[in-house]
Amino acid sequence: EAGVAQSPRYKIIEKRQSVAFWCNPISGHATLYWYQQILGQGPKLLIQFQNNGVVDDSQLPKDRFSAERLKGVDSTLKIQPAKLEDSAVYLCASSSVQGNNEQFFGPGTRLTVL
Amino acid sequence: AQSVTQPDIHITVSEGASLELRCNYSYGATPYLFWYVQSPGQGLQLLLKYFSGDTLVQGIKGFEAEFKRSQSSFNLRKPSVHWSDAAEYFCAVATWGNTGKLIFGQGTTLQVKP
Repeated sequence: EAGVAQSPRYKIIEKRQSVAFWCNPISGHATLYWYQQILGQGPKLLIQFQNNGVVDDSQLPKDRFSAERLKGVDSTLKIQPAKLEDSAVYLCASSSVQGNNEQFFGPGTRLTVL
Repeated sequence: AQSVTQPDIHITVSEGASLELRCNYSYGATPYLFWYVQSPGQGLQLLLKYFSGDTLVQGIKGFEAEFKRSQSSFNLRKPSVHWSDAAEYFCAVATWGNTGKLIFGQGTTLQVKP
């Protein structure tokens, strides 16, 4: 079974630029999560989707961050405009009810904002 | 509010020695608890989880953890550490049962001396 795929793996941009990250969850997983992991900290949930609906986006900075999950499969997370403090690893995870909702994580995208 | 505390930021142990990583949580209801491991440049891998039942849970790679409700703790242990265990370890609690978001501790970095 293929794991959670993310791209790109690394991205370097300048502040005020925009950037987008892509995630392809494990086939059949209805729930998809985006986490932000700042260096030296644990991951923090940004947004959770159930199929193509948003379950929790309480910690998503909506003035600059947006995410979508069209057709309930792939998801894209966008930052526009980026700030220095957005430098972090962005992790995507997916889970299924059949799998007891265990979250499987992708390798992450490391973003550096200069 | 739910929270997870990992008191030790860095731990160094000799190869072959025993290991215990501490985790304390704050959660009003029955917690769903997890330990994840993250190697450099990799995503998070689940080591073990506690949902209910036996308070001593076995995981992969020879790890185990014990849930102690009276102490609000879920410490991770391994009787004999291998050099390949060097990584960052995260304790996490799931909100509203096991379908909700994970709240992570800040992580413990394990260094293994030869």
